[in-house]
Amino acid sequence: QQQVKQSPQSLIVQKGGISIINCAYENTAFDYFPWYQQFPGKGPALLIAIRPDVSEKKEGRFTISFNKSAKQFSLHIMDSQPGDSATYFCAASIIYPNTGNQFYFGTGTSLTVIP
Amino acid sequence: SQTIHQWPATLVQPVGSPLSLECTVEGTSNPNLYWYRQAAGRGLQLLFYSVGIGQISSEVPQNLSASRPQDRQFILSSKKLLLSDSGFYLCAWSRTAAPALHFGNGTRLTVT
Repeated sequence: QQQVKQSPQSLIVQKGGISIINCAYENTAFDYFPWYQQFPGKGPALLIAIRPDVSEKKEGRFTISFNKSAKQFSLHIMDSQPGDSATYFCAASIIYPNTGNQFYFGTGTSLTVIP
Repeated sequence: SQTIHQWPATLVQPVGSPLSLECTVEGTSNPNLYWYRQAAGRGLQLLFYSVGIGQISSEVPQNLSASRPQDRQFILSSKKLLLSDSGFYLCAWSRTAAPALHFGNGTRLTVT
């Protein structure tokens, strides 16, 4: 069972446009929601993250919007650039200090920004 | 600062040969360690994780095994590779009781 559902699978955006990727979850025990950016041939890199007690977090052109009641969160990339072309993964995690933190990933969104 | 090293970056192995991928983390102690596999164009599949030396939890029954001989060393192994073992293998670490997961740059394994 997919714990975190991500959409769309792929996204094409014009340079300067807004890219929006959505994720949904069911487990209310999740306590951390990161987004990862992965370029071809590289490992995913932590991009931005949010905790469920915050509705929005912004870092530069990247913003996470979090809706706790709907159990949804999204990544907004403002003024999208060709260099943003990558695969983006949303995730949710639960901290278990003694038995290992658990991380659940979405299936990824391939973003292409057209010049 | 903490860094994670994974090697080799690419590997081509024949079916039936053994496998050993190594991962080390620097700049932290007692990390949680993880092995993931990513098929082409697909998501991340958790294979193994470890919360301490000699402690390995397996998420998916398969042809692979993992070991943690030292605090910051994690090894992925196979005695006999299958074609289906091809993929992109990622090592990752997190601090105990901290939510962020940090990935290495991966090993591209092609089994021929």
